Amino acid sequence: GAVVSQHPSWVICKSGTSVKIECRSLDFQATTMFWYRQFPKQSLMLMATSNEGSKATYEQGVEKDKFLINHASLTLSTLTVTSAHPEDSSFYICSATGTALTVTYEQYFGPGTRLTVT
Amino acid sequence: AQTVTQSQPEMSVQEAETVTLSCTYDTSESNYYLFWYKQPPSRQMILVIRQEAYKQQNATENRFSVNFQKAAKSFSLKISDSQLGDTAMYFCAFMKVLAGANNLFFGTGTRLTVIP
Repeated sequence: GAVVSQHPSWVICKSGTSVKIECRSLDFQATTMFWYRQFPKQSLMLMATSNEGSKATYEQGVEKDKFLINHASLTLSTLTVTSAHPEDSSFYICSATGTALTVTYEQYFGPGTRLTVT
Repeated sequence: AQTVTQSQPEMSVQEAETVTLSCTYDTSESNYYLFWYKQPPSRQMILVIRQEAYKQQNATENRFSVNFQKAAKSFSLKISDSQLGDTAMYFCAFMKVLAGANNLFFGTGTRLTVIP
């Protein structure tokens, strides 16, 4: 149980375009979802936290207008990178947690999305 | 602010041997959780073990165990009988106990290589 999927697993886009990444909880209701960014050989950096039906809370230094997060349902959150630039190339990982889980505070991670902006 | 420090960027161990990965953290909180996550080459984050700070007993999951020293703010991971599949990045992580969902603070990671 507690499976999280991400789509796409990898994406290449041209500079200036927008790209959307989906994060889904497949077998539980995700009341909260987290978005992380991971540069090569580095740790995970939390970008934002989103609760279903409310606005995301962004970490300091993360541009809200550039990284649009929507958590419209209890099973889906999306991250849209707007007007992408090469420096946005990275590995994006989502995680989710839900109050109905056996271990309510535990985060379950998606497999990640590799974004390359050319 | 919480900080998590992993002082060993890389480690290696012979197959079937035991290895210990270090982690220290800094917090003013008294109630929190600690985790070790494994990230293999697939980059899927996998929970290895968790420890609730209020529990004095060290957590154990099969070949994985922790040495939790609350006063010293230390949380090391011991892997016994190392297997080739244990080769991965290992991240130590901290979470405050708050109402609702809570953020994970990750260390910088230790790359473990198991040598055949």
